[in-house]
Amino acid sequence: DGGITQSPKYLFRKEGQNVTLSCEQNLNHDAMYWYRQDPGQGLRLIYYSQIVNDFQKGDIAEGYSVSREKKESFPLTVTSAQKNPTAFYLCASNDLRGGGAFFGQGTRLTVV
Amino acid sequence: GQNIDQPTEMTATEGAIVQINCTYQTSGFNGLFWYQQHAGEAPTFLSYNVLDGLEEKGRFSSFLSRSKGYSYLLLKELQMKDSASYLCAVREDFGNEKLTFGTGTRLTIIP
Repeated sequence: DGGITQSPKYLFRKEGQNVTLSCEQNLNHDAMYWYRQDPGQGLRLIYYSQIVNDFQKGDIAEGYSVSREKKESFPLTVTSAQKNPTAFYLCASNDLRGGGAFFGQGTRLTVV
Repeated sequence: GQNIDQPTEMTATEGAIVQINCTYQTSGFNGLFWYQQHAGEAPTFLSYNVLDGLEEKGRFSSFLSRSKGYSYLLLKELQMKDSASYLCAVREDFGNEKLTFGTGTRLTIIP
């Protein structure tokens, strides 16, 4: 079955540690995205990538980093510079043909 | 700047009809999307409008007026499982699929 997979579903980290969230898709989509969702707020774009080895900052990129070495994979690193990292992180992909984005199941990150 | 507004919460009765409104002010426009999100889960795609008018898909319909910067999602024959958040999102540029989301409308269905 084609889809987009995020792992893990729940993640706990100590303050000051970097953590990498995984996102893999087998839909052959060119574009991939990372969003952050906080309670009572909409999805906010962190980073996006439309082709391999290229990515752009979204609206809230500070404290995050990404890579796009393979079409299928778009990992997100939450660095210690991110002041408030506890949130629900959603990865999405799109075929750039005008349809909607497909989302992964999300990773709920809690930093203690 | 970008601004997408939706009501924060709505309540409707099982079997009834509900309309969720979305207004937007963005630097560009190349399509409006509606997503459904159950608590703790990922959003799922519901509908897409790029031209003015109504798009119907089963119990769900979505309307767009580009001149007014306005869309609505219409849900008919409401079921308890329709209790969820409904997210309005705008794509600003053709060829760049970046979406800007509203804060979402939490819909509660009561018996």
